[in-house]
Amino acid sequence: QLQLQESGPGLVRPSESLSLTCTVSGDSTRSRSYYWGWIRQPPGKGLEWIANIYYNGNTYYNPSLKSRVTLSVDTSKNQFSLNVSSVTAADTGVYYCTRVPYSSSSQYGIDVWGQGTMVTVSS
Amino acid sequence: IQMTQSPSSLSASLGDRLTITCRASENIRTSLNWYQQRPGKAPRLLLYEASRLQTGVPSRFSGSGSGTDFTLTISGLQPDDFATYYCQESYSTSSFGGGTKVDIK
Repeated sequence: QLQLQESGPGLVRPSESLSLTCTVSGDSTRSRSYYWGWIRQPPGKGLEWIANIYYNGNTYYNPSLKSRVTLSVDTSKNQFSLNVSSVTAADTGVYYCTRVPYSSSSQYGIDVWGQGTMVTVSS
Repeated sequence: IQMTQSPSSLSASLGDRLTITCRASENIRTSLNWYQQRPGKAPRLLLYEASRLQTGVPSRFSGSGSGTDFTLTISGLQPDDFATYYCQESYSTSSFGGGTKVDIK
C-alpha cells in the first residue's frame, strides 16, 4: 500500500534552513506517472502549495516561495526533499508531502498525502 | 490565480443538502479540485477536474462548473461530512481557496 512519510526536525531557528524528507513506500519516485510535492498549513489556517518535482528533476514552485525553496529527488532512496531557507515564524506549520498523478490530457488532484509533520520556527 | 470560497463557514443538519462555491480570479477551464479535511488529519481528495469523483468517494458528493465559477454539493449530509472543504486550481500555481468549515447546527 502506498505511503508517504515525512521526516525532519520539529524545531528550526529563525533565519536558518528547514529541511524535510519524504520517504515513499509502495510506489517509485522513478515513476513517470506522478509528481511529488509539498503542501503546508499554518496552525488554524488554510492550505498552501509549496512545490512539485517530477522524476526527471523538473521542478515547479509557488512564485511567492520560489526564492527560498528547493526541491530534490533521490530515486535511489525513493525519497524527495524540501529545503526552505531563511525561515521566519510565518513558516511555522504542518508540512505534508504529496503525490499528484501526471497526465498530458487531464489535470488531477493530490491523491495521496503523508500524515504531516509539524515544524515550529522559534528561537 | 486567486481562489475565493464562500461561505467561509456554515451550520447544517444531518440529511441537509448543501452547496459550497469557489470562484477563480481567471479562467481555469475545469482544472478544479475539491478536498475534505477533518481536524488533525491530512486532506482527502473528493473531486478533480471540477466534477470527476475520486475513487472511493461517496456519490453524495458532486461538483460542477467551468471557467471561473464552481460548486461542491453534498446531498444528504452524513456525520463524517462535518469537516472543512477546500478548492484548489490545478491550472496554474495550484492555489487553494480559504476553506469552508461545515459544522453541526
